[in-house]
Amino acid sequence: ILNVEQSPQSLHVQEGDSTNFTCSFPSSNFYALHWYRWETAKSPEALFVMTLNGDEKKKGRISATLNTKEGYSYLYIKGSQPEDSATYLCAFTSGGGADGLTFGKGTHLIIQP
Amino acid sequence: DVKVTQSSRYLVKRTGEKVFLECVQDMDHENMFWYRQDPGLGLRLIYFSYDVKMKEKGDIPEGYSVSREKKERFSLILESASTNQTSMYLCASSGRGVADTQYFGPGTRLTVL
Repeated sequence: ILNVEQSPQSLHVQEGDSTNFTCSFPSSNFYALHWYRWETAKSPEALFVMTLNGDEKKKGRISATLNTKEGYSYLYIKGSQPEDSATYLCAFTSGGGADGLTFGKGTHLIIQP
Repeated sequence: DVKVTQSSRYLVKRTGEKVFLECVQDMDHENMFWYRQDPGLGLRLIYFSYDVKMKEKGDIPEGYSVSREKKERFSLILESASTNQTSMYLCASSGRGVADTQYFGPGTRLTVL
């Protein structure tokens, strides 16, 4: 079983502050790294899929970077808002055809007004 | 918009009962997945399917089986439910590409008494 680690496990941030958290994954046999946002009582929602070393993706105030050689990805949120409160999951897949994702345990983000 | 639906949001069953969890997607996706989510453990892959009548074991298949008779439908079966199968079950679907985004259903919270 592949190991995907996320840190921190939980995070409290003041509204308006920026924040970031980390996902680390096996650097060998890398194929893609996904980020999802999972709000309470909703389905996990895809944020980004990244496949290339050095990839940077952005969606509004949220962005992500990828380093496949050292096996980590950062997710950044600029100017946090209460609606950013959610669990952020990263998931790794190696190549080789259809496969499920190996998820980290998530970072639980709480934005305090 | 991709839609993945699951037959029940909440389900309560007794130990030893046979349980069917149904998942339907409307985007003609080839791949479908079943995960379970437990506190402190994150999302773990139970089974997946990349085509009709095809199935592959994930990381934790013990105690489960699956059925994919039609492309849009993927069923998870608990042959004889046990209390340690109390969990949140999430279904997902994606296109054929390994890096394709997975789209999740709302989840079924199963309690086995």
